[in-house]
Amino acid sequence: IAGITQAPTSQILAAGRRMTLRCTQDMRHNAMYWYRQDLGLGLRLIHYSNTAGTTGKGEVPDGYSVSRANTDDFPLTLASAVPSQTSVYFCASSDSETGQQGYTFGSGTRLTVV
Amino acid sequence: GQNIDQPTEMTATEGAIVQINCTYQTSGFNGLFWYQQHAGEAPTFLSYNVLDGLEEKGRFSSFLSRSKGYSYLLLKELQMKDSASYLCAVMDSNYQLIWGAGTKLIIKP
Repeated sequence: IAGITQAPTSQILAAGRRMTLRCTQDMRHNAMYWYRQDLGLGLRLIHYSNTAGTTGKGEVPDGYSVSRANTDDFPLTLASAVPSQTSVYFCASSDSETGQQGYTFGSGTRLTVV
Repeated sequence: GQNIDQPTEMTATEGAIVQINCTYQTSGFNGLFWYQQHAGEAPTFLSYNVLDGLEEKGRFSSFLSRSKGYSYLLLKELQMKDSASYLCAVMDSNYQLIWGAGTKLIIKP
């Protein structure tokens, strides 16, 4: 692969269940991000990581957690899913904190919480 | 608060030129990005402006005026494949990207 791989592509999840969205990149980018995209709204940052071993909260972190054990992987966990977490989730990476070369996005995970 | 404004939807004709505007109010400024997003797909990087002026890249150009908090994306010789959403994003003083809601561009034959 060359880029970012997200899994699953789509998922229907019962409310209250725990779910981990997977994200793996092979570009050796330092910075990684999780966004959600909802109709009529811009991409909203959930959590980010500037380098392996560090994470930070974005604009809408509540109900989500992340880890960055190594450079390549940045999983996003929903501890107890709620219907308002129905969204399209994008993982992204950049080769620096400043992201001046642009972000590379994964193909997204479409999550429906029922 | 931080805010990025761009039109919700625009329509243009194949072969024509279209300009998509973006105005912003952010806590600091470390560059402005334009991304293209086809329906059901991931955003892809188009351009980056950090200094005032015009950056040209093939059929696409992007302009920035920092004093006015304003940018535009200019698409020339429109093709049907240019039908997509165009996202404006500004990097603030904390190097976080603030995203506009996107402009859906519809190209008609």
